[in-house]
Amino acid sequence: KNQVEQSPQSLIILEGKNCTLQCNYTVSPFSNLRWYKQDTGRGPVSLTIMTFSENTKSNGRYTATLDADTKQSSLHITASQLSDSASYICVVSPGTGTALIFGKGTTLSVSS
Amino acid sequence: ETGVTQSPTHLIKTRGQQVTLRCSSQSGHNTVSWYQQALGQGPQFIFQYYREEENGRGNFPPRFSGLQFPNYSSELNVNALELDDSALYLCASSRWSGGGTDTQYFGPGTRLTVL
Repeated sequence: KNQVEQSPQSLIILEGKNCTLQCNYTVSPFSNLRWYKQDTGRGPVSLTIMTFSENTKSNGRYTATLDADTKQSSLHITASQLSDSASYICVVSPGTGTALIFGKGTTLSVSS
Repeated sequence: ETGVTQSPTHLIKTRGQQVTLRCSSQSGHNTVSWYQQALGQGPQFIFQYYREEENGRGNFPPRFSGLQFPNYSSELNVNALELDDSALYLCASSRWSGGGTDTQYFGPGTRLTVL
């Protein structure tokens, strides 16, 4: 069964600190992996998209890594800000490119 | 802001009723996907429309149906509403690239409550 598992479920960190969110998937075939940020009550916003051949991709303070052999990805946030408080969702696209498979997300809370 | 708009923002219906949700895609986009997001869960793919044709469907019953119009806006219709249909309904627009890496831009969602 195609699944995307994320950990931890929730995380609290102090402003300015770094953190890493994890994503494991069992989706096959595999086309690409995406990380989205979703603020409460809003639609998800794309952070990164990585294909099979890409190991890392950055978007400002966000850096995503992908190990297609172990089917694992991580999202590293550096120098966290209060505005980083949100749900971060890992999404995997099978080869069809239509039925995106979403994880349940990691809820990040950044406190001052 | 992504340029994708959805209406209405919130909606309350009773069991058995029918509902229509609307989505206007971002300028230049020809593909719209619909998702259902239950509280505390990730979005679940309902279906996708490309150039007014259904282009893929998730594991949802036929009472979930859709349309895409020539201007690429879209509707999601749900018949015979059930309590479990209560969720945030998201639409996402994109420009079909054929390679599967097109970025989907999400709207703010419609919060549907079924009583």
